[in-house]
Amino acid sequence: NAGVTQTPKFQVLKTGQSMTLQCAQDMNHEYMSWYRQDPGMGLRLIHYSVGAGITDQGEVPNGYNVSRSTTEDFPLRLLSAAPSQTSVYFCASSSGQAQHQPQHFGDGTRLSIL
Amino acid sequence: AQTVTQSQPEMSVQEAETVTLSCTYDTSESDYYLFWYKQPPSRQMILVIRQEAYKQQNATENRFSVNFQKAAKSFSLKISDSQLGDAAMYFCAYRLSGSARQLTFGSGTQLTVLP
Repeated sequence: NAGVTQTPKFQVLKTGQSMTLQCAQDMNHEYMSWYRQDPGMGLRLIHYSVGAGITDQGEVPNGYNVSRSTTEDFPLRLLSAAPSQTSVYFCASSSGQAQHQPQHFGDGTRLSIL
Repeated sequence: AQTVTQSQPEMSVQEAETVTLSCTYDTSESDYYLFWYKQPPSRQMILVIRQEAYKQQNATENRFSVNFQKAAKSFSLKISDSQLGDAAMYFCAYRLSGSARQLTFGSGTQLTVLP
């Protein structure tokens, strides 16, 4: 019963490096999303997807790219990491047919940019 | 745009006592969902309770209950018989019904349970 799996759990990058945060879900959920969590600010939506091949921007999309080639996977790419992107990142998924059902969250990725 | 406000950054409660966490939100919509999530030090996001806006009855899950005041746009969480394991960060969240948009979160309330 894997649910939402995020890798890696921790990562340290240097400014300007690129990296992809992986997210996979095994619940056949249509909706997937990425949030970042910063101290005192709760979780903010970065990008989301309502199905394979469809993505859209959330509240704080700058500096991040996403793609959704399959229902299961929703990777988040940092093309040129900046210290302001130091944060904890959460991936979540939910059913598009049952919106009263809550989102399922991964365990998060703690990312530090030096 | 919808906003969610949690005005209590920190709260504390004695074990076995009751505590209420506050949440207000701003929306012009009438059909939406509200959630409370718990985040312990392990960082997991755990659903505590949810409320459908069209339901007048307040949701209840064991020791957790909400006071949903739709006209006042208020959604408080009451924890009864507090336990040490309830210590965590609590987030209030809003989701518009019928929309592809995802959750809008408040800034969180850090709950400490005193033995």
